[in-house]
Amino acid sequence: AQTVTQSQPEMSVQEAETVTLSCTYDTSESDYYLFWYKQPPSRQMILVIRQEAYKQQNATENRFSVNFQKAAKSFSLKISDSQLGDAAMYFCAYRAPLSGNTPLVFGKGTRLSVIA
Amino acid sequence: NAGVTQTPKFRVLKTGQSMTLLCAQDMNHEYMYWYRQDPGMGLRLIHYSVGEGTTAKGEVPDGYNVSRLKKQNFLLGLESAAPSQTSVYFCASSDQLESGANVLTFGAGSRLTVL
Repeated sequence: AQTVTQSQPEMSVQEAETVTLSCTYDTSESDYYLFWYKQPPSRQMILVIRQEAYKQQNATENRFSVNFQKAAKSFSLKISDSQLGDAAMYFCAYRAPLSGNTPLVFGKGTRLSVIA
Repeated sequence: NAGVTQTPKFRVLKTGQSMTLLCAQDMNHEYMYWYRQDPGMGLRLIHYSVGEGTTAKGEVPDGYNVSRLKKQNFLLGLESAAPSQTSVYFCASSDQLESGANVLTFGAGSRLTVL
């Protein structure tokens, strides 16, 4: 079974600085999808960014970008110019190709604090 | 634009009581999921459905039952609640995008406490 590991239970960053959240995963598939979800105190799960494994180019969404290292099975999230509103739980998630009909597998999360 | 709606948002039960959590989506999504979230455990899949009338077990299905009689609704039932089922429950839905990267839309969560 696929597993997703987030080795940092908690992280903190100064406002306007950059922070990187780590994620590694285990899979024998060659084609799959990776996601980062944000859960603010409101509890709502919000998609931050996604990456298709067959794409070598790292995905970016405004201040959020990923460092996807397929051989190392690593998928880290970089948040630039951190803002107070970035404070949240961040979950890394993995999904196998659609043909397997497999749902998302989540990591245990990293709680990010932003210090003013 | 409701998206995914879960009811109730909060519930307190006594051990042995039964209850049903309702999830409704108005996006005509094929796939629906029930996850539970516990501190330090992330989100764990309980059951899911790939279409009306279908259900499948996830990672932690014991003590729960589900039904998908209508495409827009996915019900999660606890027949005899136990304190170990105290958790926050999330429903999610997704469509089958061509790329396979179906993005989940989540409900706001339901906090269940079993005394």
